[in-house]
Amino acid sequence: DAKTTQPNSMESNEEEPVHLPCNHSTISGTDYIHWYRQLPSQGPEYVIHGLTSNVNNRMASLAIAEDRKSSTLILHRATLRDAAVYYCIPSIYNQGGKLIFGQGTELSVKP
Amino acid sequence: DADVTQTPRNRITKTGKRIMLECSQTKGHDRMYWYRQDPGLGLRLIYYSFDVKDINKGEISDGYSVSRQAQAKFSLSLESAIPNQTALYFCATSDFRVLGRDEQFFGPGTRLTVL
Repeated sequence: DAKTTQPNSMESNEEEPVHLPCNHSTISGTDYIHWYRQLPSQGPEYVIHGLTSNVNNRMASLAIAEDRKSSTLILHRATLRDAAVYYCIPSIYNQGGKLIFGQGTELSVKP
Repeated sequence: DADVTQTPRNRITKTGKRIMLECSQTKGHDRMYWYRQDPGLGLRLIYYSFDVKDINKGEISDGYSVSRQAQAKFSLSLESAIPNQTALYFCATSDFRVLGRDEQFFGPGTRLTVL
C-alpha cells in the first residue's frame, strides 16, 4: 500500500491561504489521491480527489506534482470552520475503494 | 434526516459482553465500511462490504464480526468485548460507479467504552 507523510500540525490565520502538503512517493500509477477532513467530534468528510491534473472544487484546490510523488491541498481563504484534521489518502484502485487513513495534519485557524 | 445513521451513539459496557453497533444508510450505496478511531490516531478499517453477499476483512478484524442484513444495513458485533476495544467507531458508505471517485460518506460515530 502507498504510504503518506504529512506534517503533524499547521497553523493559519483566518482569511489567509493554507497549503497542506503530502508526500506519497510510493503511489502507483493508477492510485487516485484523495483528501478528507475530520472536524472536531464528527466523522471524516470528502474534500477533493485527483489523479494527475490539478483539480478545483468549491471547497479547495488540489495541486499534484508532475511526478505524482507529492500533492498539496490548498484552502484559498481559511475560515475558523476549516479547523480540522486533514488526511491525504491514496485510493487503491484495484482494491475497490479502500481508504487507508494516516495520522493527518491538524490545522488550527487563528482569528 | 441524516443519510448515514449509527446506533447507539454512546455505549458503556463491561468486559466479556456481546455488543452490536448498527449502521443504516438511505443513500442507496452498495458499499459499506466499518472503521475504528483511537484518540489522536487516524481511522483503521475493520470490515467492508461491496454488496449484500460480499464481506471482507480490513486491517484489524480480529475480535469483530459483521452482518450485512440488507443493502442499507451493516452491523458490527463485538462477541466478547475487551477494554482495548474502547474507541470511536464509524460507519461509511460509498458508490464506486464513478471510476476513481472513492467518496465515502461517514456516519456520526459511536463512542464505545469497555470497562
